[in-house]
Amino acid sequence: DTGVSQNPRHKITKRGQNVTFRCDPISEHNRLYWYRQTLGQGPEFLTYFQNEAQLEKSRLLSDRFSAERPKGSFSTLEIQRTEQGDSAMYLCASTPSSKGQDNYGYTFGSGTRLTVV
Amino acid sequence: QQPVQSPQAVILREGEDAVINCSSSKALYSVHWYRQKHGEAPVFLMILLKGGEQKGHEKISASFNEKKQQSSLYLTASQLSYSGTYFCGTESPSNSGYALNFGKGTSLLVTP
Repeated sequence: DTGVSQNPRHKITKRGQNVTFRCDPISEHNRLYWYRQTLGQGPEFLTYFQNEAQLEKSRLLSDRFSAERPKGSFSTLEIQRTEQGDSAMYLCASTPSSKGQDNYGYTFGSGTRLTVV
Repeated sequence: QQPVQSPQAVILREGEDAVINCSSSKALYSVHWYRQKHGEAPVFLMILLKGGEQKGHEKISASFNEKKQQSSLYLTASQLSYSGTYFCGTESPSNSGYALNFGKGTSLLVTP
């Protein structure tokens, strides 16, 4: 297993266009998280899945954002009608459901950097 | 609720020590520590669950106070490779097992 994979690495889009990002978590991890990070800030929580169920969604997430995790495997994050304020690094992370001391830390992907022009 | 990290930035010479603090106004379920290098993903360092707990390696360790409202990360005899931004991520009892809230980060630069 090569870790958490995110595609694409970079995305430049015009304002108003829709974009979709993909995250492939570590195969035995059934928890998957999406975060957004802007320059000089810590990761900001967007949404969380346990298997295929979306269990929590940030109040900061507007209706333009939607996420899915069909069959509890990979996940997609879609942003509709992008705005310049959506420009950020979008990070995906996964964890196993077990809260063992050694394996509960998040494993992050390398992220997708979105630039809205 | 976002935890508060201090200091915002630290510059060290190789071999010097540093302490990074992470505070919350309410008791926490757990604290995670991550390091992120420029252009890379955050990398998990350690998790603390118990009040009064201390854990880690010889040169990078962390503590969690008895009230479980403050954690500190200790970097001893720093190396150039320690440079990066350190984040604490906190989990509150109300949403245990769900998302972490991350602080704004502490930028650490180790110089030769």
